Amino acid sequence: QKEVEQNSGPLSVPEGAIASLNCTYSDRGSQSFFWYRQYSGKSPELIMFIYSNGDKEDGRFTAQLNKASQYVSLLIRDSQPSDSATYLCAVYNYGQNFVFGPGTRLSVLP
Amino acid sequence: ETGVTQTPRHLVMGMTNKKSLKCEQHLGHNAMYWYKQSAKKPLELMFVYNFKEQTENNSVPSRFSPECPNSSHLFLHLHTLQPEDSALYLCASRQNDRGTNYGYTFGSGTRLTVV
Repeated sequence: QKEVEQNSGPLSVPEGAIASLNCTYSDRGSQSFFWYRQYSGKSPELIMFIYSNGDKEDGRFTAQLNKASQYVSLLIRDSQPSDSATYLCAVYNYGQNFVFGPGTRLSVLP
Repeated sequence: ETGVTQTPRHLVMGMTNKKSLKCEQHLGHNAMYWYKQSAKKPLELMFVYNFKEQTENNSVPSRFSPECPNSSHLFLHLHTLQPEDSALYLCASRQNDRGTNYGYTFGSGTRLTVV
């Protein structure tokens, strides 16, 4: 059974701080890693993906991947109240289906 | 709009009713998916269609019946549901031959309540 684990939260950070969201996965053959943001009552929205070890930056978001540790994270710099949402980690291995984690609920406090 | 349209947005149905959920994608993708999202649980994959052929049925009860008439349209037919089937039903599409670095595009979902 392939699993993706995330701390369900809620993770509360003050406005302007760095939010750090973590994800671990069990399938060592996983190739790509995706972060989705889901606002309450809405559908998931892709915000970043990463496939190489190291960091990938896109605006205020940085994804970090360590395949040896089977760990992927998402950092949100200068967190804003509008970042308050549930963040889903999804893991993909070519030819198979995506496996989603349960999501971490982030609350950015003004 | 994401390019994946789901209707209806909300549905309340009795346990003896028959209803259908509809999904349409305008992205030219070749794979479509049904997911169920219940409170505090991970997304549950229900059905997968590649090039309008069903390639996966993830042990879904027969009261859920998918239909994919073409690569742009996907239906989920519902009958004699149970209250525990109340959830957000998400349709997603993807272009499966673009390699690993290509995610899903989700529709807005149908919030289903079974009474």
